[in-house]
Amino acid sequence: GQNIDQPTEMTATEGAIVQINCTYQTSGFNGLFWYQQHAGEAPTFLSYNVLDGLEEKGRFSSFLSRSKGYSYLLLKELQMKDSASYLCAVRDRRRGAGSYQLTFGKGTKLSVIP
Amino acid sequence: DSGVTQTPKHLITATGQRVTLRCSPRSGDLSVYWYQQSLDQGLQFLIQYYNGEERAKGNILERFSAQQFPDLHSELNLSSLELGDSALYFCASSVKTHDRARGELFFGEGSRLTVL
Repeated sequence: GQNIDQPTEMTATEGAIVQINCTYQTSGFNGLFWYQQHAGEAPTFLSYNVLDGLEEKGRFSSFLSRSKGYSYLLLKELQMKDSASYLCAVRDRRRGAGSYQLTFGKGTKLSVIP
Repeated sequence: DSGVTQTPKHLITATGQRVTLRCSPRSGDLSVYWYQQSLDQGLQFLIQYYNGEERAKGNILERFSAQQFPDLHSELNLSSLELGDSALYFCASSVKTHDRARGELFFGEGSRLTVL
């Protein structure tokens, strides 16, 4: 089955850089997503990687290595509003299944402190 | 605003009861997904519908059922409710036309169910 690991909690200082790692094990890989979720709110899409390498979008970047089953989300110039949970999600096609499924990790709760 | 609408936002009910959660996807999205989020389990995939047909099933209990109607809105029915069913239930929609499409999910604000 699916196995997605990411740290439970992280703390970083305003203005700094933080890297949130995610490792996964799956077959039929079809993409890795990062979502941001503020407490009590809906997850919102941040980034998508399907090929190896770095995708940059403003202050956020995401990296993928398919051979290592590894991704990270990099947040630069941290702001207080970046305090949230960051969810790593892997899309794959299970054997015998006719559709892709998106499975989420348990999330990393990031606290940004002054 | 993601464009996905869920009702009700909050629901308090008793054990043994039955509730229905409703979701309207973004205009044009054919896929609807239901997820359950509790404090210790994270987002758990329950079920997916595509254009009215069940497409994939996750960790959905037999007491739970769902359907997608011709107008593409979806309902999640939870019956014989137990204390452990208390959670935030999210609906999400997406459009994914080919394998390489990004197809990210757009989530509704969720329905918070409390079973007493």
